[in-house]
Amino acid sequence: EAGVAQSPRYKIIEKRQSVAFWCNPISGHATLYWYQQILGQGPKLLIQFQNNGVVDDSQLPKDRFSAERLKGVDSTLKIQPAKLEDSAVYLCASSLVRGGGETQYFGPGTRLLVL
Amino acid sequence: GESVGLHLPTLSVQEGDNSIINCAYSNSASDYFIWYKQESGKGPQFIIDIRSNMDKRQGQRVTVLLNKTVKHLSLQIAATQPGDSAVYFCAENIQGGSTLGRLYFGRGTQLTVWP
Repeated sequence: EAGVAQSPRYKIIEKRQSVAFWCNPISGHATLYWYQQILGQGPKLLIQFQNNGVVDDSQLPKDRFSAERLKGVDSTLKIQPAKLEDSAVYLCASSLVRGGGETQYFGPGTRLLVL
Repeated sequence: GESVGLHLPTLSVQEGDNSIINCAYSNSASDYFIWYKQESGKGPQFIIDIRSNMDKRQGQRVTVLLNKTVKHLSLQIAATQPGDSAVYFCAENIQGGSTLGRLYFGRGTQLTVWP
């Protein structure tokens, strides 16, 4: 079974620029998550989708971050404009259904450096 | 904010010894806990989970203990191998309500296994 795919793996941009990350979850997984992992910390949930609908975006900085999952499969996360403190690894995860009892499978992440 | 933390940021053990990684949580409403392993450059990988109606669960070479009285979680790795070297995170979830599916991660413990 193929895992969660993410691209790009690395991205370097200057502050105030925009950037977008792409995620392809495990086939058949209805729930998709985007996490931000700052160096030395655990992942922090940004947004959670159930199929193509947002079910939890309370921790997403909506003034600069946006995400979509238009067809209920792939998802993109965008930052516009980027700030220095956005430097982090952005992880995508998916699970079969929504729920704490359902294992979340993580992708390799996209490492973002904002200069 | 995050309610999960770890007692020690680093742990060094010799190959073949047993490892114990500890985790404290503060939200008494949390009812599902997961241990993840994260190797350098990769996303977190599920190791083992436990629900709040249990106090012990065993997997292959790993055991998770849950003490709800003192809100403490531990991961025991038997016969630690060099391939176990990684950062280990505990995560918690409340299986219900608006935070369903939202995992709260601790800061992580870096486990180093010496030959």
